[in-house]
Amino acid sequence: QKEVEQDPGPLSVPEGAIVSLNCTYSNSAFQYFMWYRQYSRKGPELLMYTYSSGNKEDGRFTAQVDKSSKYISLFIRDSQPSDSATYLCASRGSTNAGKSTFGDGTTLTVKP
Amino acid sequence: EAGVAQSPRYKIIEKRQSVAFWCNPISGHATLYWYQQILGQGPKLLIQFQNNGVVDDSQLPKDRFSAERLKGVDSTLKIQPAKLEDSAVYLCASSLDSQYNSPLHFGNGTRLTVT
Repeated sequence: QKEVEQDPGPLSVPEGAIVSLNCTYSNSAFQYFMWYRQYSRKGPELLMYTYSSGNKEDGRFTAQVDKSSKYISLFIRDSQPSDSATYLCASRGSTNAGKSTFGDGTTLTVKP
Repeated sequence: EAGVAQSPRYKIIEKRQSVAFWCNPISGHATLYWYQQILGQGPKLLIQFQNNGVVDDSQLPKDRFSAERLKGVDSTLKIQPAKLEDSAVYLCASSLDSQYNSPLHFGNGTRLTVT
């Protein structure tokens, strides 16, 4: 079993839709949770970073963590064609907090 | 701020050949990572350096992969001999340190095809 499991894609939505991307994790030592966006033939770039359970909002993006159920979500409001990319969730533990464990990604296409 | 630089961008080799990748992290970043990303999968950590010391190489296939970080700055990752299953994108990342709130900055990777 992978330590971070991500809902498989691909996901295709019309422009303006609300997008929900989801992950679960199994390692109870994970305390820090990230969402990365990866455009084709590019490296991942950090979108959101959360530590505790709850919501964190940044513009059109909201990251949600529920540690009791080991569930991680990213919501994108008013989705744009420029949001078309692969979204990777990742987690870090308290020991070697530098090491990030990634999910396999969900590819999102936002159609104009 | 200049980003993480990697070269080459693409490499095609035959199995059993050797190959090397180079990474120049963001200036001042103490922690450097090499990740392997197979098509359709998320990045998998191969090795993590703190300055020029190895922090984690538990998932590095040491019989064929080696890495070094000279003087705590640039790094090279080598594969010798390559296998077909090594076909992947090799991503280098750096962070200011290895604290939980130090974000990773990735380069654009080297795409390796082994035929």
